[in-house]
Amino acid sequence: DAGITQSPRHKVTETGTPVTLRCHQTENHRYMYWYRQDPGHGLRLIHYSYGVKDTDKGEVSDGYSVSRSKTEDFLLTLESATSSQTSVYFCAISAAQTDTQYFGPGTRLTVL
Amino acid sequence: KNEVEQSPQNLTAQEGEFITINCSYSVGISALHWLQQHPGGGIVSLFMLSSGKKKHGRLIATINIQEKHSSLHITASHPRDSAVYICAVTSYNTGNQFYFGTGTSLTVIP
Repeated sequence: DAGITQSPRHKVTETGTPVTLRCHQTENHRYMYWYRQDPGHGLRLIHYSYGVKDTDKGEVSDGYSVSRSKTEDFLLTLESATSSQTSVYFCAISAAQTDTQYFGPGTRLTVL
Repeated sequence: KNEVEQSPQNLTAQEGEFITINCSYSVGISALHWLQQHPGGGIVSLFMLSSGKKKHGRLIATINIQEKHSSLHITASHPRDSAVYICAVTSYNTGNQFYFGTGTSLTVIP
């Protein structure tokens, strides 16, 4: 199994609070991704990174920001959480953009 | 409009049956991926293919580039195959971004 961890695994927070999710990899892969998974929508890309300090927006980036200061860590921040951001968040990594992606275990976020 | 469509959405089979899950896509692709998501939530990659057919154990994935269609077959299905199967494509139209289908939920009954 690819070495990917996500923290926290579960979080309940209130509307308007900031939230940061962390993705950590031990594979030294260049690409890292944040997805959200919601019923009826499948996985949707929020942001991705193609190197340290190199990030780009995905399909559903509004309300989210990311940072990658080290190869192994990719942070997803909800500056002011809203109920519509209640979801399961998955991090993934890949060596190249078209390569197989390896997924983390997911973080279940509930915004009340 | 979904770039990737899967059918059926839900599938129930008896143990031992041959199962087919279909995936159609509407964009130009660099590769197509089949993923498996178990009830616990973890997602694993089963296949990545850009042409022809691949086989791994009881799983077979095929792709027809001209028809923009892929199938995932499971032979001699088993209850442990119960999971959600997700089709995804990387599209060269959009810088190799991934697009995911909404998944097919498979239940195999003993």
